[in-house]
Amino acid sequence: SQTIHQWPATLVQPVGSPLSLECTVEGTSNPNLYWYRQAAGRGLQLLFYSVGIGQISSEVPQNLSASRPQDRQFILSSKKLLLSDSGFYLCASPGGGTLNGYTFGSGTRLTVV
Amino acid sequence: LAKTTQPISMDSYEGQEVNITCSHNNIATNDYITWYQQFPSQGPRFIIQGYKTKVTNEVASLFIPADRKSSTLSLPRVSLSDTAVYYCLVGDDKIIFGKGTRLHILP
Repeated sequence: SQTIHQWPATLVQPVGSPLSLECTVEGTSNPNLYWYRQAAGRGLQLLFYSVGIGQISSEVPQNLSASRPQDRQFILSSKKLLLSDSGFYLCASPGGGTLNGYTFGSGTRLTVV
Repeated sequence: LAKTTQPISMDSYEGQEVNITCSHNNIATNDYITWYQQFPSQGPRFIIQGYKTKVTNEVASLFIPADRKSSTLSLPRVSLSDTAVYYCLVGDDKIIFGKGTRLHILP
């Protein structure tokens, strides 16, 4: 089995401040990790995916960046937050194999004020 | 990436069986069909996955016709706690979530 840990659970940050959200994987390892963002009442938007240490692909142009410093660690960052960066951020992994779907973390609710 | 289409919302009553159908006309030969459930302020939770015919687990059943261009998630005897958003996805890499189906269970 696999568990995705995310923190913090909630965060309120002023516009222009930096951001660092961390995701760590416990249990069964899979090289692929993903960051999603969900705006209020909307579906999940894929932001970044990583297939290994130091390997990051961005799905949409934006004010955010991601890094994979360790196999089980995936970090989402911003140097200067915008109001539009508010949302629910989720980290995910394919988990324990094709037949078990993806495992998601509990998410971070970011409000930029 | 195969696109899925599902109803935006559905209402049902406690104790009823709920069927949510998803269309995926461009599904690839090796794509699996997966359904997730999401409660407010939580990450999506895996419900069930299948490739063809019928799959059943302790939570739901998944019916997939021979052409695999659609699938139906069946939730038996729903309760108020089944109120959530349900997502249908195909494929297993860089999965793309649509808006899902917002299921509202009434007492």
